[in-house]
Amino acid sequence: GENVEQHPSTLSVQEGDSAVIKCTYSDSASNYFPWYKQELGKRPQLIIDIRSNVGEKKDQRIAVTLNKTAKHFSLHITETQPEDSAVYFCAASKNFGNEKLTFGTGTRLTIIP
Amino acid sequence: NAGVTQTPKFQVLKTGQSMTLQCAQDMNHEYMSWYRQDPGMGLRLIHYSVGAGITDQGEVPNGYNVSRSTTEDFPLRLLSAAPSQTSVYFCASSASSRVGQPQHFGDGTRLSIL
Repeated sequence: GENVEQHPSTLSVQEGDSAVIKCTYSDSASNYFPWYKQELGKRPQLIIDIRSNVGEKKDQRIAVTLNKTAKHFSLHITETQPEDSAVYFCAASKNFGNEKLTFGTGTRLTIIP
Repeated sequence: NAGVTQTPKFQVLKTGQSMTLQCAQDMNHEYMSWYRQDPGMGLRLIHYSVGAGITDQGEVPNGYNVSRSTTEDFPLRLLSAAPSQTSVYFCASSASSRVGQPQHFGDGTRLSIL
């Protein structure tokens, strides 16, 4: 089955700086890559996603890039703010949808004021 | 519109007991799924359903059963609880399994097996 590795497991950045979280996947048939944010004690929430026919997607301060050849994708957060502090999970699946999503192990992002 | 509702929020069981975690959604979503979340392990898929009457196994199905008799409800049954099943359980739903759409998660059930 699919295996998704996520790095780093923890990340601290100064407020206003950028943060980058990277994930690699093993199944070349995977074609849907969402990112979820989970604040402490809360439910995970989708923040951005990308399909394999797109190389990059942006939504305000958040962007995701995908390299199909290398089988890795990354989350970029610019101009970080204290409310960006959370655990971020990447995931991968086939069929362009949520069916049988495989999640990474998460990155705890801390924004230092 | 309540979204995805999970009950109970907390539960303590003894080894060998059985119980059912309830999950209901009021968004007429086709796709529903159950995950467990353990420290350092991320979210792991237990079972999922692409519609009423259709269920399938995820990554870690052993020790759990599911059924989907209606679109709204997707209960998760622990057959004989074991300490290894101590975890936080999340139910999620999305409009479709085949189009990238947000999965809406419930608040989770924190389960402890003694």
